[in-house]
Amino acid sequence: GDSVTQMEGPVTLSEEAFLTINCTYTATGYPSLFWYVQYPGEGLQLLLKATKADDKGSNKGFEATYRKETTSFHLEKGSVQVSDSAVYFCALSDRSGYSTLTFGKGTMLLVSP
Amino acid sequence: EPEVTQTPSHQVTQMGQEVILRCVPISNHLYFYWYRQILGQKVEFLVSFYNNEISEKSEIFDDQFSVERPDGSNFTLKIRSTKLEDSAMYFCASSDGSLSYNEQFFGPGTRLTVL
Repeated sequence: GDSVTQMEGPVTLSEEAFLTINCTYTATGYPSLFWYVQYPGEGLQLLLKATKADDKGSNKGFEATYRKETTSFHLEKGSVQVSDSAVYFCALSDRSGYSTLTFGKGTMLLVSP
Repeated sequence: EPEVTQTPSHQVTQMGQEVILRCVPISNHLYFYWYRQILGQKVEFLVSFYNNEISEKSEIFDDQFSVERPDGSNFTLKIRSTKLEDSAMYFCASSDGSLSYNEQFFGPGTRLTVL
């Protein structure tokens, strides 16, 4: 079945450091890929998405590129802020449109001033 | 901005008791979901619901679980006889189904603790 693997956390960075959170997936067909973020005390929010190979999703300075050849969707940000501290979830869904999401375990990011 | 809400934020119950977790999806959405996350583990799909019936469910969603949309706004998850291993964060989500990539909007979660 489908699966998503994320790097273990927590990831601890200083403000303005470069961020990479690795995500790889296993799926049949051509899934859509997502990054969700969960700030403390809040629900999961969609951060960015990519629906086909080589697409780059971007939002709030975060980027991720759908790499079919390496089955990866790594999250990057050039300069993190304290306010980026949260848990980040990589997820996929198949292309049926209404299907369920398959999540990774989540990676906690802690950014210090 | 419309949002999914869930109540309660934290529920503590004794093993064997019934619990009902409540969700109010975004009002024009048609597809509803429950997920759960056991502490330190993955967010796992439980069930999806459309047109007043279950459209998909996972192996986790056994006979102890049920879902209902009792009125036009609420979407509930019932666990009939809770077990210790049901302790988890439960997330409700909804989507309008209009986008091919199925953007789901999540609530803040209910933390269920079974003692």
